[in-house]
Amino acid sequence: QKEVEQNSGPLSVPEGAIASLNCTYSDRGSQSFFWYRQYSGKSPELIMSIYSNGDKEDGRFTAQLNKASQYVSLLIRDSQPSDSATYLCAVNPFGNEKLTFGTGTRLTIIP
Amino acid sequence: DAEITQSPRHKITETGRQVTLACHQTWNHNNMFWYRQDLGHGLRLIHYSYGVQDTNKGEVSDGYSVSRSNTEDLPLTLESAASSQTSVYFCASSDPGTGYEQYFGPGTRLTVT
Repeated sequence: QKEVEQNSGPLSVPEGAIASLNCTYSDRGSQSFFWYRQYSGKSPELIMSIYSNGDKEDGRFTAQLNKASQYVSLLIRDSQPSDSATYLCAVNPFGNEKLTFGTGTRLTIIP
Repeated sequence: DAEITQSPRHKITETGRQVTLACHQTWNHNNMFWYRQDLGHGLRLIHYSYGVQDTNKGEVSDGYSVSRSNTEDLPLTLESAASSQTSVYFCASSDPGTGYEQYFGPGTRLTVT
């Protein structure tokens, strides 16, 4: 079992709709969770961090964390063509200063 | 503004040559990381450092080395470049005080012919 799993996609969402991206992780002691956006040919860009159970909202982005079920999700409301990118989920395992990355979900917003 | 830079941005080299990729950060972060990214594999950790004079191997460290002589720089050296090392290389940095959020450099695209 991979430590951090994401559906590779591609996930296609109409413009203006809600895009939902999911990630599961195996280390139950993980403490910190991150979502990165990576445009083609560019480097990963941190867009959300979440550390406790529940929802965290930042503009059109909402991160959701459920430690009991070991999943973290990212919702993008009012999706725009500029949201088309690969989204990487990253997890900070317990007692570790490194991050473990998923392989990413490719999101395409259809105008 | 604080930033993390990498050089060169593109490099073509021949098999067997030694290559060094530079990474420089002005965040004053203790932690620095080198990743490679290949289709189908995602980001894979090569080496990392938690401070000056500290270096550690990641999951794909064979054929690579790093040294940390100051806080700002973590150069990555390919001892004898191989075609399997053709990839995009990213440097990142983080600090415990900011929840281990990692910030990435722009990347170096390396081609070994």
